Amino acid sequence: EIVLTQSPATLSLSPGERATLSCRASQSVSSYLAWYQQKPGQAPRLLIYDASKRATGIPARFSGSGSGTDFTLTISSLEPEDFAVYYCQQRSNWPRTFGQGTKVEIK
Amino acid sequence: QVQLQESGPGLVKPSETLSLTCTVSGYSISSGYYWGWIRQPPGKGLEWIGSIYPSGSTYYNPSLKSRVTISVDTSKNQFSLKLTSVTAADTAVYYCAGAPNSYYFDYWGQGTLVTVSS
Repeated sequence: EIVLTQSPATLSLSPGERATLSCRASQSVSSYLAWYQQKPGQAPRLLIYDASKRATGIPARFSGSGSGTDFTLTISSLEPEDFAVYYCQQRSNWPRTFGQGTKVEIK
Repeated sequence: QVQLQESGPGLVKPSETLSLTCTVSGYSISSGYYWGWIRQPPGKGLEWIGSIYPSGSTYYNPSLKSRVTISVDTSKNQFSLKLTSVTAADTAVYYCAGAPNSYYFDYWGQGTLVTVSS
């Protein structure tokens, strides 16, 4: 099973600041990694897939990068609606696995 | 527009079987890549339970494999989850999700809270 480790657990930032979230895989997942955003009481929403492709309707301030075992989600300038929990997920191998999440909170 | 909706009991007794159904609208379940179930215990992260292809092939989380069955009913455009011998540790919000356009879950149900308690 591929373990995904996200860091940091919590990121405290102000609106307008840049957010950089990390996801590290225990073995290579090639580029088969996605990022999801989850707000309280809501289902997760797909943001990025195949490491760097934005899903339909996702603003350009969200970008993903990386391959192999190290991946990054960047939010270039935080909007108030971006404060949420973010999860990475790999689809390289079965079982599918998620990271434990990074909470982006308002500083 | 693709929509998914979970249905099933919100309260299950310990040792009994949890049964949920996901009804898909706006897309034929016979198409697409695969469909799946994900759960989230209160205040915790996401746990993938399993996925099913339109052909009926399934993949399960090894930690749950002995207790999980996912099936598909193409005539009703639904897929279902059964989890046997539940305990309090199975209390969670259960989501059904779809990957019709890729191998990632781009469509999700709203989630349903299932509590295991006597």
